[in-house]
Amino acid sequence: GIQVEQSPPDLILQEGANSTLRCNFSDSVNNLQWFHQNPWGQLINLFYIPSGTKQNGRLSATTVATERYSLLYISSSQTTDSGVYFCAVGSDKLIFGTGTRLQVFP
Amino acid sequence: EAGVAQSPRYKIIEKRQSVAFWCNPISGHATLYWYQQILGQGPKLLIQFQNNGVVDDSQLPKDRFSAERLKGVDSTLKIQPAKLEDSAVYLCASRNGGAQYFGPGTRLTVL
Repeated sequence: GIQVEQSPPDLILQEGANSTLRCNFSDSVNNLQWFHQNPWGQLINLFYIPSGTKQNGRLSATTVATERYSLLYISSSQTTDSGVYFCAVGSDKLIFGTGTRLQVFP
Repeated sequence: EAGVAQSPRYKIIEKRQSVAFWCNPISGHATLYWYQQILGQGPKLLIQFQNNGVVDDSQLPKDRFSAERLKGVDSTLKIQPAKLEDSAVYLCASRNGGAQYFGPGTRLTVL
C-alpha cells in the first residue's frame, strides 16, 4: 500500500516564526489533503491539493505530484496554529501520515 | 452548509459491552467513511460506503464491528463486544467529488 511520511515529527516555534512541513508519498495519487487537528480532536480541512499551489491567508501548500511530495507553509505563526498537521493521500480512501505536532509559544 | 454530524461525542463502556455511533454526512454527499484514530496515530479507514452499498470494508474487524447505511444517508457503526484496544476516536467523513470532510468524532474509552 501507499506509504506516507511526514517531517518533522515535532516542531516548536515562537509566535511570528515561519515553518515548512513536508509530506512524502510512495505512489501516484489523485487526492492529497492537508488537515489541522486541533486540541479538541477536530480535523479541519486546510487544503485539497493533488497538484499545484494554493494559498489561504497565512497558509499555503504546494504539491509536486511527479516527485511525490507536498509542502505546507505556515507564515507568521500564532498560538492558535498549535496542534497536529496531517497529510493524507489516496485515490478514494485516504491514507494518513503520522503527522507533525506543532507547538507555538507566545 | 452544515458539516458532518456525529453522536455521541464521548462514550465510556466496560469491555465486552456493546456500543453504537451515529453519523449524518453533509447533505448530498454520496460517499461516507468511518475511520478509527488511536492516540498518537493518524486515522485509519474502517469502512467506505457509496450511497447504501459497501465499497471497502477490508480493514473492518468483522467479528466485532458492523456498520450500515440503510437509506444512503446517515450511518451507524457498532462494536459488539468491545475490547480494551478499541479505545480510540471514531471519525466519520463524507465526500462528493474531491475533498473529504470530517465530523468531530466520538471518543470511546473501554475500561
